[in-house]
Amino acid sequence: AQTVTQSQPEMSVQEAETVTLSCTYDTSENNYYLFWYKQPPSRQMILVIRQEAYKQQNATENRFSVNFQKAAKSFSLKISDSQLGDTAMYFCAFMNPTGANSKLTFGKGITLSVRP
Amino acid sequence: NAGVMQNPRHLVRRRGQEARLRCSPMKGHSHVYWYRQLPEEGLKFMVYLQKENIIDESGMPKERFSAEFPKEGPSILRIQQVVRGDSAAYFCASSPLYNEQFFGPGTRLTVL
Repeated sequence: AQTVTQSQPEMSVQEAETVTLSCTYDTSENNYYLFWYKQPPSRQMILVIRQEAYKQQNATENRFSVNFQKAAKSFSLKISDSQLGDTAMYFCAFMNPTGANSKLTFGKGITLSVRP
Repeated sequence: NAGVMQNPRHLVRRRGQEARLRCSPMKGHSHVYWYRQLPEEGLKFMVYLQKENIIDESGMPKERFSAEFPKEGPSILRIQQVVRGDSAAYFCASSPLYNEQFFGPGTRLTVL
């Protein structure tokens, strides 16, 4: 079974600065996807970024980028030029994209506060 | 293309009543997943369905909970004889295949 660990319960960052959110996971699979989801106060789950394990290049989406270390089973999210709208809970998630095992396994999440 | 729809958004039930939560996947998506989020926690998988089939229900409690995804109409998560511990946010997600899942806005269930 897969596990996802987010050990930091909360973080705070000044607007316009950069912050990194940590995530580690454990799996015996070789082919899998990793995700970061954002959950603002509205509770809507919003996909931030996705990484396929077979890709060596780290995924990037505008101000969001990941540092994927497959051997270390680490998947951190970097938010550059933080904005007030980035204030939310962030969840790291794992998926094995093979049929019946394609459910998402989430970490407990981290609360990010962006200070003006 | 409308996103994943869930209704109701908020549902209040008394202990012992039944709760029915509905999920309409995005157009063209035939895979539906249900997750539960307890306060201050992450989402936990409950069940994965394709049209008319339950693929994986390993996360669903054995008693009082059931789910279906009929050939026509939305997916339904049914909770019989609700208890206070069932109070949570229930999220539905849909996917066209085994990759990115798109989430609905959730149903917040409160059991009095």
